[in-house]
Amino acid sequence: NAGVTQTPKFRVLKTGQSMTLLCAQDMNHEYMYWYRQDPGMGLRLIHYSVGEGTTAKGEVPDGYNVSRLKKQNFLLGLESAAPSQTSVYFCASSAAYWNTEAFFGQGTRLTVV
Amino acid sequence: AQTVTQSQPEMSVQEAETVTLSCTYDTSESDYYLFWYKQPPSRQMILVIRQEAYKQQNATENRFSVNFQKAAKSFSLKISDSQLGDAAMYFCAYRSSAGNNRKLIWGLGTSLAVNP
Repeated sequence: NAGVTQTPKFRVLKTGQSMTLLCAQDMNHEYMYWYRQDPGMGLRLIHYSVGEGTTAKGEVPDGYNVSRLKKQNFLLGLESAAPSQTSVYFCASSAAYWNTEAFFGQGTRLTVV
Repeated sequence: AQTVTQSQPEMSVQEAETVTLSCTYDTSESDYYLFWYKQPPSRQMILVIRQEAYKQQNATENRFSVNFQKAAKSFSLKISDSQLGDAAMYFCAYRSSAGNNRKLIWGLGTSLAVNP
């Protein structure tokens, strides 16, 4: 009963490096989301997906790309990491019905030096 | 666009006492869902309670209950018999019934400390 699993949990990058964060859910959810959480700024939506093969921009998409090739996976990529991308990243998923809650992964703490 | 406001960045409560966290929101919609999430130091976001806008009855989950005032656009969370494990960040969130993205609109959170 894994729910939403994020990989990795921690990562340190040097400026300019690239990386991919993986989110996997086993609940057959249609909707998946990537958020970043910064002190005093709450949760901000980066990108989201309403189904396999679809992605859309959220509030703060610049510097990030995403892919949803399989329904259960939602990947977040940083092509050229910047210190401003130091944050805690959360993946979430939810069913298609609007009255269901979102389930979250445990978060990834990313530091860009 | 919808917005969610949590006006109390920090709150504290004595163990076994009751505390109320406030949340207000702005929307022109009539059907929507409201949520309270808890984020303990482990970072895991956990759903505490949810409220359907078309239901007048306030939701209750054990020691957690809400005071939903639709006309006032207010959705406060009451924690009764506070326990040390209740110490966490609490986020209020709004989800519209319209559209197909199912995005959640988040407040900035309230940090709750529980004093022994």
